[in-house]
Amino acid sequence: EVQLLESGGGLVQPGGSLRLSCAASGFTFSTYAMAWVRQTPHKGLEWVSKISGYGGGTNYADSVRGRFIISRDWSKNTLNLQMDSLKAEDTAVYYCVRHGAYGSGYYADYWGPGTLVTVSS
Amino acid sequence: QSALTQPASVSGSPGQSITISCTGTSSDVGGFNFVSWYQQHPGKAPKLIIYDVTNRPSGVSNRFSGSKSGNTASLTISGLQTEDEADYYCSSYSITSTPWVFGVGTQLTVL
Repeated sequence: EVQLLESGGGLVQPGGSLRLSCAASGFTFSTYAMAWVRQTPHKGLEWVSKISGYGGGTNYADSVRGRFIISRDWSKNTLNLQMDSLKAEDTAVYYCVRHGAYGSGYYADYWGPGTLVTVSS
Repeated sequence: QSALTQPASVSGSPGQSITISCTGTSSDVGGFNFVSWYQQHPGKAPKLIIYDVTNRPSGVSNRFSGSKSGNTASLTISGLQTEDEADYYCSSYSITSTPWVFGVGTQLTVL
């Protein structure tokens, strides 16, 4: 059974840093692209960042590029998101997602339960 | 990158059919058959119900179907059931600097 479980969320002051992790199990982690998607009540769902399988190429949303870094630990089957210079508008529930393996691959076939990040003084 | 346009809410009675639209541009919805749809119940993570416009993942009811015409994709739910009451989001690949865009979401009420 595919499982994704995020951790690392919490309250942080503006300008601070936070590191999210996602423990993946039930599938061959290295063969799938993975991503982070966040959700706020006002803006809905927003794609944040993606990392490819094997080669590990990365992409970022304009809103986080230069502040966030996505990475994966192949030995621990873990997806990470290092978030620096956090802003109030980064406040959201962050979901770890697995990209689909069929067709385009531009869809998320599994989602974690999410972790809440609150940026506030 | 602007979000894809969806109606804020739709409603229907049990047994009826409803359709939710998702409008983008030629840079996303209209340019590629890479539209997906997600169902989200309150307090839960989204769940994939349609990918690449028309494909249903294993285990998803055949009451859910997808289509596309031009820059607008659609999700149709037939034989509405009370458990279908949820928020629905569309998503598409985009050729812009943001390669994956989402719709603003549609709240479905089953009366």
